[in-house]
Amino acid sequence: AQSVTQLGSHVSVSEGALVLLRCNYSSSVPPYLFWYVQYPNQGLQLLLKYTTGATLVKGINGFEAEFKKSETSFHLTKPSAHMSDAAEYFCAVKTGGFKTIFGAGTRLFVKA
Amino acid sequence: GAVVSQHPSRVICKSGTSVKIECRSLDFQATTMFWYRQFPKQSLMLMATSNEGSKATYEQGVEKDKFLINHASLTLSTLTVTSAHPEDSSFYICSAREATGTKGTDTQYFGPGTRLTVL
Repeated sequence: AQSVTQLGSHVSVSEGALVLLRCNYSSSVPPYLFWYVQYPNQGLQLLLKYTTGATLVKGINGFEAEFKKSETSFHLTKPSAHMSDAAEYFCAVKTGGFKTIFGAGTRLFVKA
Repeated sequence: GAVVSQHPSRVICKSGTSVKIECRSLDFQATTMFWYRQFPKQSLMLMATSNEGSKATYEQGVEKDKFLINHASLTLSTLTVTSAHPEDSSFYICSAREATGTKGTDTQYFGPGTRLTVL
């Protein structure tokens, strides 16, 4: 069965600093991986996804993630944090079927 | 891009009453919709998968008689919380799958969520 582990329930960075949100997955078959962002009292918005092909995936709002099969990781990064990036971020995995399994989420705080 | 709407966005009801939440795909046809529940500061928990014209598939531990799901058309799915109790208070989010031919790469679009408070 597949699973997702997000390391760190809270991450705090200064505005302009690098953002790194960690995600490791477990899957017996090649996974499809996703990052979503959720703002307070709102639904989820897809940031980026990896299905096949290039392992470095670029998403919206300057975010990108790299699929590393050897490390079973799909960490999310952004070179320079903006105040508007403060939100909850969810990593998710899907293995060809319909179900998407979400990680526990990481709340990103951005300090001025 | 594809938009999924939910109605209502917030609802407060008395214990023992039933509440219906609608989920609509506005500009695409969704053969599959998903219902999630999210407790404060926690992740999304999949409750059920709903396919148009057929019975929903519920996850283990989710009471199908309490959470009634109807997917009557390709653009509408409803979740009815029957005989609601305070412990049912939560944030309910629906998601619709835009079919592109390959299940794994299909994109799920999420609704804005419905905050249910049962008094």
